[in-house]
Amino acid sequence: SYVLTQPPSVSVAPGQTARISCGGNNIGSKLVHWYQQRPGQAPLLVVYDVRDRPSGIPDRFSGSNSGNTATLTISRVEAGDEADYYCQVWDTYSDHSWVFGGGTKLTVL
Amino acid sequence: QLQLQESGPGLVKPSETLSLTCNVSGDSISSSSYYWGWIRQPPGKGLEWIGSFYYSGNTYYSPSLMSRVTISVDAPKNQFSLDLSSVTAADTAIYFCARHRSSADSWGQGALVTVSS
Repeated sequence: SYVLTQPPSVSVAPGQTARISCGGNNIGSKLVHWYQQRPGQAPLLVVYDVRDRPSGIPDRFSGSNSGNTATLTISRVEAGDEADYYCQVWDTYSDHSWVFGGGTKLTVL
Repeated sequence: QLQLQESGPGLVKPSETLSLTCNVSGDSISSSSYYWGWIRQPPGKGLEWIGSFYYSGNTYYSPSLMSRVTISVDAPKNQFSLDLSSVTAADTAIYFCARHRSSADSWGQGALVTVSS
C-alpha cells in the first residue's frame, strides 16, 4: 500500500515561514490534501487538491507538489497555528484507499 | 449547515463488536455526490482511514481492517454505521465520521471508544 512520510516535528518562530514535507513515491502525480488538528478537535481541511484553500482558510497556508515530495507552507506563522498537520492522498486507481501521513507537530517557539 | 455526529458505546469488551452511528444533517447521504466514511485515531497517534461508502452504493474498506469492518447505511434516517468485530485494545481510538470526495471537508467531533474488560 502507498506510504506517506512526514517529519515528526517542525519548529518555527512567530512571523517566520514553516514548511512541512510529505514524501511519497511519485506523489507529484497525486492530489494531496492537508489537515490541521488542534488538541481535542477534529481535523480541519486547510489545503486540498495540492494548492486550493477552503473558504475561511487564510492565504498564509499554501501547498505545492512535485516529484516525490509535497509541501505545506505556512507563512507569517502565528501562535494559533501550533497544531498537528497531516497530509493525505486518495488512491483511486487501486482500492480507493485513503492514506494519511504520520503527522507533523508544528511548534511555534 | 452540514453537521455530522457520532454516537455509540464508549466502552467495548475485547472480542466483541464495536458499533457506532453517524447522524448527518444538512445534506443527504443517499443523493449527494459525496463519499461518507470513518476514520480513527488511537490516543496520541495519527489518523487511520477505516472505510467509506458512495451514495450510489459502493463501499470501500481499508485493506488492513477489511476482514472485520462493515459500513451500513440507513437512508431514511440519514445516518450510516460502523461495525468493527473482534476488537482488541489496539482498536481503542477516537472514531470520526466524515464527508469526502478526494478530501474530507466536514468531520464529526469524534467519539472515544475504549476496548477493555
